[in-house]
Amino acid sequence: RKEVEQDPGPFNVPEGATVAFNCTYSNSASQSFFWYRQDCRKEPKLLMSVYSSGNEDGRFTAQLNRASQYISLLIRDSKLSDSATYLCVLNTGGFKTIFGAGTRLFVKA
Amino acid sequence: DVKVTQSSRYLVKRTGEKVFLECVQDMDHENMFWYRQDPGLGLRLIYFSYDVKMKEKGDIPEGYSVSREKKERFSLILESASTNQTSMYLCASTDPRGDGNEQFFGPGTRLTVL
Repeated sequence: RKEVEQDPGPFNVPEGATVAFNCTYSNSASQSFFWYRQDCRKEPKLLMSVYSSGNEDGRFTAQLNRASQYISLLIRDSKLSDSATYLCVLNTGGFKTIFGAGTRLFVKA
Repeated sequence: DVKVTQSSRYLVKRTGEKVFLECVQDMDHENMFWYRQDPGLGLRLIYFSYDVKMKEKGDIPEGYSVSREKKERFSLILESASTNQTSMYLCASTDPRGDGNEQFFGPGTRLTVL
């Protein structure tokens, strides 16, 4: 079983739609959680950290459920510029950072 | 802004060649990492370094070695390139003195081994 599992998609949504991605992880000792965004042929970049209390950054909301070992990312009012691959990332402490394979999102006009 | 640069965006090499991938960061970060990214597999850690001349194996170190002679530079070496090493190679750095969790990536090197 992979340490981090994501639905690869692609998710095809119209502009203005709300879309949600989930990610499950197997290591209950995981300490820190993140969503990264990767544009086509570009490097990953941090989108937001994920906290147990949930956090919001504009149109983006991230949630962590430690009991069920999953994190989620909700994007409201999708824009064309949101088209990218979203990587679920966790850190188990120290230098160990684990990346999911990513979920591809296409937002269409 | 943190800047991580990699020596080449695209490389084509032949089986058996020795390949050097260079990575330089300009923010005095302690930790540096080399990953490869393949479709459906995500990023997999090859090696990392937490100080000059220090290196640790990641999850897939076989067929690779690294060098960190200066703090800002971390090199990945393919001793004898093979076709299964065709991949996107990404370098990253972090600063444990700060949050320590955000990884700053270089633009990547797409390596093709023929």
